[in-house]
Amino acid sequence: ILNVEQSPQSLHVQEGDSTNFTCSFPSSNFYALHWYRWETAKSPEALFVMTLNGDEKKKGRISATLNTKEGYSYLYIKGSQPEDSATYLCAPNTGTASKLTFGTGTRLQVTL
Amino acid sequence: EPEVTQTPSHQVTQMGQEVILRCVPISNHLYFYWYRQILGQKVEFLVSFYNNEISEKSEIFDDQFSVERPDGSNFTLKIRSTKLEDSAMYFCASSNARVYGYTFGSGTRLTVV
Repeated sequence: ILNVEQSPQSLHVQEGDSTNFTCSFPSSNFYALHWYRWETAKSPEALFVMTLNGDEKKKGRISATLNTKEGYSYLYIKGSQPEDSATYLCAPNTGTASKLTFGTGTRLQVTL
Repeated sequence: EPEVTQTPSHQVTQMGQEVILRCVPISNHLYFYWYRQILGQKVEFLVSFYNNEISEKSEIFDDQFSVERPDGSNFTLKIRSTKLEDSAMYFCASSNARVYGYTFGSGTRLTVV
């Protein structure tokens, strides 16, 4: 069973603050790392899929980096807005399988 | 934007009963999945389906569980004899390839009483 850790478990920031979360995973047999945003009462929504060591992806105010050698990824949110409030899940994909192993998530709450 | 549709959104069933959870994945996707989340726990993988057969399954996916793609559009998860511990939110997802993100359905909340 893959051990995927996310930190912090929860985070409460004010509107305009920038923030970041960490996802750590075993580096062996790595294939891809997925990030999802999961708003309450909705379905998880794909943010990024990253495959290469050193990869950096950006979508608006959200960006992510990947280090496959040491087994971690950071997700950054610049200038948080209340609509960023959600749980952010990371999930590596390893070996030849297509399944994802999810972390526990980081629950972000952004207040005015 | 294409979406994955799941029905029903809620299902309450008695222990020992059979349930079928239904999903309509995105039509041109090739990989189909079922995941579940027990309240307060991680989202956990159940099964993946590719090329009309199961490609991988977890230890949770025992003989009580089965999946079918009966008509080329629907993708169903059947639990033959539900247990209390099967109570969870069940998510269907589909994708076009491993390097693409999954599209998840909105889930079926299953409560076994």
